[in-house]
Amino acid sequence: GESVGLHLPTLSVQEGDNSIINCAYSNSASDYFIWYKQESGKGPQFIIDIRSNMDKRQGQRVTVLLNKTVKHLSLQIAATQPGDSAVYFCAENIENDYKLSFGAGTTVTVRA
Amino acid sequence: DGGITQSPKYLFRKEGQNVTLSCEQNLNHDAMYWYRQDPGQGLRLIYYSQIVNDFQKGDIAEGYSVSREKKESFPLTVTSAQKNPTAFYLCASQTRGGQEFFGPGTRLTVL
Repeated sequence: GESVGLHLPTLSVQEGDNSIINCAYSNSASDYFIWYKQESGKGPQFIIDIRSNMDKRQGQRVTVLLNKTVKHLSLQIAATQPGDSAVYFCAENIENDYKLSFGAGTTVTVRA
Repeated sequence: DGGITQSPKYLFRKEGQNVTLSCEQNLNHDAMYWYRQDPGQGLRLIYYSQIVNDFQKGDIAEGYSVSREKKESFPLTVTSAQKNPTAFYLCASQTRGGQEFFGPGTRLTVL
């Protein structure tokens, strides 16, 4: 079946560097995408979202890029900090469908 | 202080017991969700409710039951029919724009 997934299960980043986390999706009908951050033992926390009528959206230190041609989503974190260490999930939604589909997650570890 | 609360934070169940996990939200959201998360895995949908007195099965509903008698509350019961219930359970509610907000989770362990 169609699902959302991430390219790499783990990512190690030097503090201060930029991080790029990737996500591939296969459902061409998906029109809304969200990135979540989950710290150990806690619930996922909303980071940023993007709709399919956009290619790029920026937040505070984060940027989400959407390439609908190749069905690819990425999350860029600028100047990665130790507090950014967590599991990052992408999720997709189809218009008029109440359900989100989640990928398996990428574990980001920030090296001091 | 708006948000989603889940209780208890930790729950222990004996074999053959039913247990109920609480989820409350004061965000005035219509839609609410229950997910299960196993170590190193993503979120799998158990049940969801789009409106009071209505709910639908998700991908892994067997061994679970829910009710939605009030807009603010969406409790999940893990029944004895669920053979492998040890997991981290997450409740969420959704804005009309599709954004889901999550509670802090309940960790259930079978003794």
